[in-house]
Amino acid sequence: TQLLEQSPQFLSIQEGENLTVYCNSSSVFSSLQWYRQEPGEGPVLLVTVVTGGEVKKLKRLTFQFGDARKDSSLHITAAQPGDTGLYLCAGGSEKLVFGKGMKLTVNP
Amino acid sequence: ETGVTQTPRHLVMGMTNKKSLKCEQHLGHNAMYWYKQSAKKPLELMFVYNFKEQTENNSVPSRFSPECPNSSHLFLHLHTLQPEDSALYLCASSRLGTSGGSETQYFGPGTRLLVL
Repeated sequence: TQLLEQSPQFLSIQEGENLTVYCNSSSVFSSLQWYRQEPGEGPVLLVTVVTGGEVKKLKRLTFQFGDARKDSSLHITAAQPGDTGLYLCAGGSEKLVFGKGMKLTVNP
Repeated sequence: ETGVTQTPRHLVMGMTNKKSLKCEQHLGHNAMYWYKQSAKKPLELMFVYNFKEQTENNSVPSRFSPECPNSSHLFLHLHTLQPEDSALYLCASSRLGTSGGSETQYFGPGTRLLVL
């Protein structure tokens, strides 16, 4: 069974700080996806990484896929209150496996 | 707005009630999914439908009954639920890739269900 472990599970920081979220597995994934979910809403896709070692940037968010395609990280630079939400990583093809998520709170 | 809509957004029901959740996708996708999201647990895949055919039933109790009349609509019929079934129920859709796997899944806003 493929599992994805995310860390940290909770993070509360001040506006302007940087943070990194990790998503780790003992299994190899053909691709990994990162989602952001706000309270009362469904997850919204941020990015998909497919190549080992790949780095993708989305404004202040930087996503990296590990060389062995078993792990991924999300780095947020100069966090804003609007970044508050639940960040989920997911992997797999037809059957997506999700991590438990990292609940981020950015205080003004 | 992701192109996937769900109704109702909130539902309170007793353990003897029968209700249905509805999902509709406007993206031209051919695969649809039901997920359950509970506090402190990862998103759990419940059912998968490819081209209206159920291809996955992830050991879901029979008190949950899915229905997919066409590739744009998906229902989840609920009957005699338990309080522990209270959760956010999310619908998603995707295209099937050429190799048989799915492409990116797009989620609806979910139905927040409370079973009393």
